[in-house]
Amino acid sequence: GQQVMQIPQYQHVQEGEDFTTYCNSSTTLSNIQWYKQRPGGHPVFLIQLVKSGEVKKQKRLTFQFGEAKKNSSLHITATQTTDVGTYFCSLAGGTSYGKLTFGQGTILTVHP
Amino acid sequence: NAGVTQTPKFQVLKTGQSMTLQCAQDMNHNSMYWYRQDPGMGLRLIYYSASEGTTDKGEVPNGYNVSRLNKREFSLRLESAAPSQTSVYFCASITDPYGYTFGSGTRLTVV
Repeated sequence: GQQVMQIPQYQHVQEGEDFTTYCNSSTTLSNIQWYKQRPGGHPVFLIQLVKSGEVKKQKRLTFQFGEAKKNSSLHITATQTTDVGTYFCSLAGGTSYGKLTFGQGTILTVHP
Repeated sequence: NAGVTQTPKFQVLKTGQSMTLQCAQDMNHNSMYWYRQDPGMGLRLIYYSASEGTTDKGEVPNGYNVSRLNKREFSLRLESAAPSQTSVYFCASITDPYGYTFGSGTRLTVV
């Protein structure tokens, strides 16, 4: 099946610093989704990217899909303590839409 | 409120006991999924149901069975629990193109 590598596994930042997590695949992706999971909570859908080179923004979050559709990134500008959690990318694969493969996630800690 | 409801939220089992995790969604979604989450492993797909009446194995199906009772409900059964099944279990359904909606999870400990 499809493999996805997400880096870094952990990131500690001071409040106000920027944060970026990367998701890489060895194969071309049809789309990629990003989720956030707060400590003790469940994953919550953030966004889906479909087009090559696509860039989408949600307030301080910027999502990019690579030109070759093999990688993606999530960038948070000026982190806040509310950004704490694990960020996952997920890949759609196979012939069954919705059967997603998740990256291992990046755990973000924000120190006030 | 619309969403995915999972029960129970917490459960402790002894090795060899059986139990069923319940999941229901009220969003009229066709596809439903069961994932397990372990530290450092991300989310791994156990079973899924693309539509009512169909179920298929995911990445880690051994030791589990599922039932798609109707369009709303998708249950996960552990016939003989093992300590390796200690995990957090999430049920999810999907609406194209807005991504998965997850339930709040079941935290299962097998002793």
